[in-house]
Amino acid sequence: NAGVTQTPKFQVLKTGQSMTLQCAQDMNHNSMYWYRQDPGMGLRLIYYSASEGTTDKGEVPNGYNVSRLNKREFSLRLESAAPSQTSVYFCASSERTVMNTGELFFGEGSRLTVL
Amino acid sequence: TQLLEQSPQFLSIQEGENLTVYCNSSSVFSSLQWYRQEPGEGPVLLVTVVTGGEVKKLKRLTFQFGDARKDSSLHITAAQPGDTGLYLCAGVETRGYNKLIFGAGTRLAVHP
Repeated sequence: NAGVTQTPKFQVLKTGQSMTLQCAQDMNHNSMYWYRQDPGMGLRLIYYSASEGTTDKGEVPNGYNVSRLNKREFSLRLESAAPSQTSVYFCASSERTVMNTGELFFGEGSRLTVL
Repeated sequence: TQLLEQSPQFLSIQEGENLTVYCNSSSVFSSLQWYRQEPGEGPVLLVTVVTGGEVKKLKRLTFQFGDARKDSSLHITAAQPGDTGLYLCAGVETRGYNKLIFGAGTRLAVHP
């Protein structure tokens, strides 16, 4: 089972460049999330989509945009990359919302370096 | 935003030792989850606790949710090298924002 698939796994950008991280899940989950993980700071929520057609900001949305393309896919876009966006990005999905103690299923992560 | 503080940040022990990891907040969470993350992979759920005072066991791992639902602990008995990893606690906010707030994690290394 593929679960949650993220692409690319590694990317190096120059300051000011743009890119899109792709995420797809094959578990028919309603909710999808984008997190970033930085040393000593744990996972911080960037954006989430409780259901197809809706998106909401998380803790650290500045500098990012998202698109819930359909029920399976949720992409994260960096319009003008900055060194502060160097991080490991994780996409996750859940069948139920976290308010209903939904378990998050994570992808393997995308390691982004901005020079 | 409610904050979750985990301690210790790092733990290096010998195989067979016992250990406890703590997850504390000044705020109340409606539920709390524990995840384990191995290098190069995403976190994987270990357990969810919902009720204040709840205790759940997963083989040699014992999870407890504080009575006031502000803190949680993870106790590992007779640790093994396979327990090595990053342990993350995550709480569900009570304000209806439908989000998990993660602690910074405890990095555990168990040496043979």
